[in-house]
Amino acid sequence: AQSVTQPDIHITVSEGASLELRCNYSYGATPYLFWYVQSPGQGLQLLLKYFSGDTLVQGIKGFEAEFKRSQSSFNLRKPSVHWSDAAEYFCAQGGSEKLVFGKGTKLTVNP
Amino acid sequence: EAQVTQNPRYLITVTGKKLTVTCSQNMNHEYMSWYRQDPGLGLRQIYYSMNVEVTDKGDVPEGYKVSRKEKRNFPLILESPSPNQTSLYFCASSLQTPGQQFFGPGTRLTVL
Repeated sequence: AQSVTQPDIHITVSEGASLELRCNYSYGATPYLFWYVQSPGQGLQLLLKYFSGDTLVQGIKGFEAEFKRSQSSFNLRKPSVHWSDAAEYFCAQGGSEKLVFGKGTKLTVNP
Repeated sequence: EAQVTQNPRYLITVTGKKLTVTCSQNMNHEYMSWYRQDPGLGLRQIYYSMNVEVTDKGDVPEGYKVSRKEKRNFPLILESPSPNQTSLYFCASSLQTPGQQFFGPGTRLTVL
């Protein structure tokens, strides 16, 4: 069965610092991968997605993610974090019938 | 405006009292799904629907029912709610699967 692992439950960074959130997916020759963000009290918003092609994908709010098949990873990055990036981030893998989510990484941003 | 709407947004009820959470999308999406979100567990899929009159169980379907009589609506039914169904529920839709899912704002349910 598909599974998505986000190894870090909680990450704290200082404003202006760089960020990398890790995500590993279970299997799939051509995985469909997503990163969603959930701000406190809000629904989920898509940051970016990877279906095929260029392994470095750009998303909204200055985020990017890199697909590495050899490592079964799809890590999310941002060069300089803003206080408004504090939220919970979910990696997800899409299959033929459903989306499987990781358990999320909560990001705290210190001033 | 393209959106997924859910009602109610907040609900407090008692054990055993049947309830329905409605979900509607205006994007003509074929795929719709329900998730529950619990602390430390992320989002888990309850039921999904690939199209009208086609529904299937997700990972945690026990205690829930759904129906898909129209393309735009996908209500979640709790016939006899129990306290372990206290959770935050999200409805989502996408044009097809796998694809970008658009999420509703969520329904926070408390079962006493």
